[in-house]
Amino acid sequence: DTGVSQNPRHKITKRGQNVTFRCDPISEHNRLYWYRQTLGQGPEFLTYFQNEAQLEKSRLLSDRFSAERPKGSFSTLEIQRTEQGDSAMYLCASSAPNSHHEQYFGPGTRLTVT
Amino acid sequence: DAKTTQPNSMESNEEEPVHLPCNHSTISGTDYIHWYRQLPSQGPEYVIHGLTSNVNNRMASLAIAEDRKSSTLILHRATLRDAAVYYCILRDTGAGGTSYGKLTFGQGTILTVHP
Repeated sequence: DTGVSQNPRHKITKRGQNVTFRCDPISEHNRLYWYRQTLGQGPEFLTYFQNEAQLEKSRLLSDRFSAERPKGSFSTLEIQRTEQGDSAMYLCASSAPNSHHEQYFGPGTRLTVT
Repeated sequence: DAKTTQPNSMESNEEEPVHLPCNHSTISGTDYIHWYRQLPSQGPEYVIHGLTSNVNNRMASLAIAEDRKSSTLILHRATLRDAAVYYCILRDTGAGGTSYGKLTFGQGTILTVHP
């Protein structure tokens, strides 16, 4: 499968715990995006990487959230001290160099904070 | 990015054409019109995009009004697999034709296809 992959697909955690999600973009896609989607809403942009550089962060990305893409390939999104309001689907997308229009999304990681 | 307005829901019968409208009265000259769809329990999927001229691809057609204040996504023969939430998104290419590329999703149109 050459699509965007995300792991884990589901995560249940207790409030206050830290969680980390991984995204593997399509090979040779240099742009990587993270979005968050709550039930009944469209996805909301969180952050964007071009290669290993994090170029944009949404105000939604509080200081409990951190994202990395250390080698310009896979990316991780960590949430520290999770809160119930963090429960959502976390989506990763990637796009090819010089492609300004098509983003390819992964299946998402469903986070439930109890 | 400029805002779009879409109906909350639409219904269609299988094998009939579907016209999904989108209003974007505040669109700027450099805004591209994008359509994505999200099938149940999946991430969004790119459908089509355009700037001024109508566009066709294997999935759908995009009809853009002459003043660009509205557009219509056309599914020529709806199938049960087309049941999804359809998002109309405007994205500015930015100065020099480059952009960070983030997509600003609204709530979209829930399309129900009846057998």
